[in-house]
Amino acid sequence: GAVVSQHPSWVICKSGTSVKIECRSLDFQATTMFWYRQFPKQSLMLMATSNEGSKATYEQGVEKDKFLINHASLTLSTLTVTSAHPEDSSFYICSASGGLGNQPQHFGDGTRLSIL
Amino acid sequence: RKEVEQDPGPFNVPEGATVAFNCTYSNSASQSFFWYRQDCRKEPKLLMSVYSSGNEDGRFTAQLNRASQYISLLIRDSKLSDSATYLCVVNAWGNQFYFGTGTSLTVIP
Repeated sequence: GAVVSQHPSWVICKSGTSVKIECRSLDFQATTMFWYRQFPKQSLMLMATSNEGSKATYEQGVEKDKFLINHASLTLSTLTVTSAHPEDSSFYICSASGGLGNQPQHFGDGTRLSIL
Repeated sequence: RKEVEQDPGPFNVPEGATVAFNCTYSNSASQSFFWYRQDCRKEPKLLMSVYSSGNEDGRFTAQLNRASQYISLLIRDSKLSDSATYLCVVNAWGNQFYFGTGTSLTVIP
C-alpha cells in the first residue's frame, strides 16, 4: 500500500522555538497533502489542505502565520510551527492523496509535539 | 448538521461477537467512502474502501446505502486486536474529505 513518512515522530522543545515537520509520500505522487492536529481523546481536526505548487488552504481558526505550510514538490510537504508555545503541544498528522476523490488518504505516523 | 455523523460509542463486546457500526452523511453527491481504524496515540490506517455493491475483507464487511445516506462496517468474530477507534470518511468532491468523530470499540476477553 501507499506509504507516507512523517518526521520527526517526537519533538520536545522549549517555548518560543520553531519546529518543522516533514511529510513525504514515498511511493506515489501526492497532489494533495493534508495537515491535521489531534488532542488527546478528541477527533482529528483538519488544519489545512495543500496542493503542490500552490498556497495552502487553511481551515477557519487556524493561523496561517503560525502554521507555515510548504508543498514544493509532489512528494514533500512541510509544516512549521513558528514560535511554539505549550498550547501548541499536540499530535500532528499529515496525510497524502493522489488528488482524485476516489483515492483514500494515507497518513503519516504522526508527530508528537511537546512544548515546555 | 455535520457532514458525517457517527455514534461515538463506546462499544464493549466480548471476543467472538459480531459488531456493526453505522455512519451517516449529509451530502447526497458524496463520491467515495472509507473506513479507517485508529489505535490510541497512533495515526489512522485505512481499513477498507466502501464500494457501491458492498465489499468484504476477511472478517470485515462494508456496505453503502445511498438512498439512506449511510455506510456500515460489520466485524465478525471480534478479536482483542480489533479494539480501536473506527473512523468513517466521506469524500464529497475533489479534496473535500469529511471525517466522522470515530466509534470506540473495545473487545473484552
